[in-house]
Amino acid sequence: KNQVEQSPQSLIILEGKNCTLQCNYTVSPFSNLRWYKQDTGRGPVSLTIMTFSENTKSNGRYTATLDADTKQSSLHITASQLSDSASYICVVSAFGDYKLSFGAGTTVTVRA
Amino acid sequence: NAGVMQNPRHLVRRRGQEARLRCSPMKGHSHVYWYRQLPEEGLKFMVYLQKENIIDESGMPKERFSAEFPKEGPSILRIQQVVRGDSAAYFCASSPLGGAPHEQYFGPGTRLTVT
Repeated sequence: KNQVEQSPQSLIILEGKNCTLQCNYTVSPFSNLRWYKQDTGRGPVSLTIMTFSENTKSNGRYTATLDADTKQSSLHITASQLSDSASYICVVSAFGDYKLSFGAGTTVTVRA
Repeated sequence: NAGVMQNPRHLVRRRGQEARLRCSPMKGHSHVYWYRQLPEEGLKFMVYLQKENIIDESGMPKERFSAEFPKEGPSILRIQQVVRGDSAAYFCASSPLGGAPHEQYFGPGTRLTVT
């Protein structure tokens, strides 16, 4: 069973609207959580990284939250643009472990 | 500072042929990781290498797959006698010596299609 679950699997939003992606994890002991953006045909690019003590991190129009108690994270995209169309992947790292646990991703499609 | 380089970006092989995927880590990085991504699935760890050493190959199939990271030159992921199920995107990531293990930077991937 995957240790990182993402929802929804996909979503379509209109340009300019906001959306929120969810990530639940069971990885333990928790070290950090990253959100990656993966454009079609490209490798993942890191958007945010949060450790246990951080509960929010922003990168431009992207804002990630982390609740380490409930083991949940969200990625909020504000005022979406066509270039936000991509797969967003939640990646969790266990303390002292180089193996990363990847979610299956949420595919976001922004339409004009 | 160039990022992680992978080539080829796309590779088509017939069943039974060999596939060689190359990865050049970021300058100054001495750790390389290979991942496989099947359609609609997350990336799955395959192997972790340092220069001239395989540290962990627990995610790599025991047969037909091998990886190396020589003292000079790129890391190579080699798949012998490819089958249709090997069709996937293969990503390489690198991290610096002494860096945190999670500080992995990804390449653009090689998309392998087996016909």
